[in-house]
Amino acid sequence: QSALTQPASVSGSPGQSITISCAGSSNDVGAYDYVSWYQQHPGKVPRLIISGVSSRPSGVSDRFSGSKSGNTASLTISGLQADDEADYHCLSYTRSDTWVFGGGTKLTVL
Amino acid sequence: EVQLVESGGGLIQPGGSLRLSCAASGFIFRADRMHWVRQVPGKGLVWVSSIKSDGSSANYADSVKGRFTISRDNARNTLYLQMNSLRAEDTAVYYCARGGGPEQWGQGTLITVSS
Repeated sequence: QSALTQPASVSGSPGQSITISCAGSSNDVGAYDYVSWYQQHPGKVPRLIISGVSSRPSGVSDRFSGSKSGNTASLTISGLQADDEADYHCLSYTRSDTWVFGGGTKLTVL
Repeated sequence: EVQLVESGGGLIQPGGSLRLSCAASGFIFRADRMHWVRQVPGKGLVWVSSIKSDGSSANYADSVKGRFTISRDNARNTLYLQMNSLRAEDTAVYYCARGGGPEQWGQGTLITVSS
């Protein structure tokens, strides 16, 4: 049950787009379309922003989008805003009928 | 409105036991898979355990297998996590979360394992 691999940090300027990767294996990310992304502001509870690789729950801005290629999932945030500054976590279901998170990525809006 | 309220956290000595509860409301509890997830403050999220909607099947992270037991009472809309043989590395905020995704989370309860 190794954690999925995310970059520790990414940054971007307001209005720009950034992409956060989430690398797994054929036993998790590559096995199913069950990848979720969570946004977590400091001291707050994680908030689901993407489920099923690319679906946005009601109320989530369309500036957030998800995709997957092979064993790597990606979260793209377009039109960066100051409030997007947060930690982002990916989560995947696995062939072992367990779930695994990535290590988390800190997004800094410059 | 969906509410998930964890309780049972606190300070416990290494080797001790603790049972967490998660009271659910605002949705059909018996229809949803439920999870426990933990987070050391300032660190990433770690999936701990999950249980099917009817309680028929449960799974665990390797780090807690054999020490933790997840269960649920669908009549009481409550999820549990029995934690035995606690270690310092189990210190974290423990969240219960609803759904396969999972979609919604409680506010968390802090477990501190220390002598």
